[in-house]
Amino acid sequence: DAGITQSPRHKVTETGTPVTLRCHQTENHRYMYWYRQDPGHGLRLIHYSYGVKDTDKGEVSDGYSVSRSKTEDFLLTLESATSSQTSVYFCAIRGGQGSHEQYFGPGTRLTVT
Amino acid sequence: DQQVKQNSPSLSVQEGRISILNCDYTNSMFDYFLWYKKYPAEGPTFLISISSIKDKNEDGRFTVFLNKSAKHLSLHIVPSQPGDSAVYFCAASVVYGQNFVFGPGTRLSVLP
Repeated sequence: DAGITQSPRHKVTETGTPVTLRCHQTENHRYMYWYRQDPGHGLRLIHYSYGVKDTDKGEVSDGYSVSRSKTEDFLLTLESATSSQTSVYFCAIRGGQGSHEQYFGPGTRLTVT
Repeated sequence: DQQVKQNSPSLSVQEGRISILNCDYTNSMFDYFLWYKKYPAEGPTFLISISSIKDKNEDGRFTVFLNKSAKHLSLHIVPSQPGDSAVYFCAASVVYGQNFVFGPGTRLSVLP
C-alpha cells in the first residue's frame, strides 16, 4: 500500500469556520491531489501540486486553498466552511516519470452544519 | 457537462457470472484510462489501466476493452466474486497530462 495518511479522518464543523485537512505521504512522490467525492459526481479535482510550492486549481477549486511547503505534506484549507462543502475528501499521490496511476488516501469525512 | 460517463449507477450479478461495467467519454483527446475500485469508508484503489495504443488489457479476472472510435470502454470481471462488490470508477486523461477526470461510478453487487 502507498504510504498516504489523511488527518483528521472525520470532522464536524460549523458554517463560517476555517478548516484544514492534511495529507501526508512517505513515498517522496512529486504529484499530490485533493479530490472531493459526492453522490452522482464521482471524484472531482479540487487542487493539485506538482512540487513544493507548485500548485494549481482543479475543476472545483472555489472556496478552497492549498499549500505544500514540504514534499510529504499537502494541506487543503476551507477558509470559511459552507454546507455545500460537506463531502468526503480524498488525497492522492502519483509517482514519477511515466507513472499514470494515482494512489489514494483513506479519506476525510467533513460535515459542515 | 460530464466528460466521463458511467450511465449505470448500479449493477447486480450472480456469483460466478461475468460483470460488465461500461464507461463513455466525450473528449477525443483522452488517451489513457484507468479503473478504480472503492469499498465503503476506504480510498479508491487502482485496478487496471489501458492506453489508446491498445484495445484490450488483461490482469487476472479483470479485462478492460477500449473502443476509441465509439469513445467507449468496458471492464469485464470473470468470474465475479462477492468480494468484487464495490463502487467502480472509470477515469481518463490525456497521456502526458497531469490530471484525471473521473466518472460518477457504478455500484456492483455480486450476489452469492
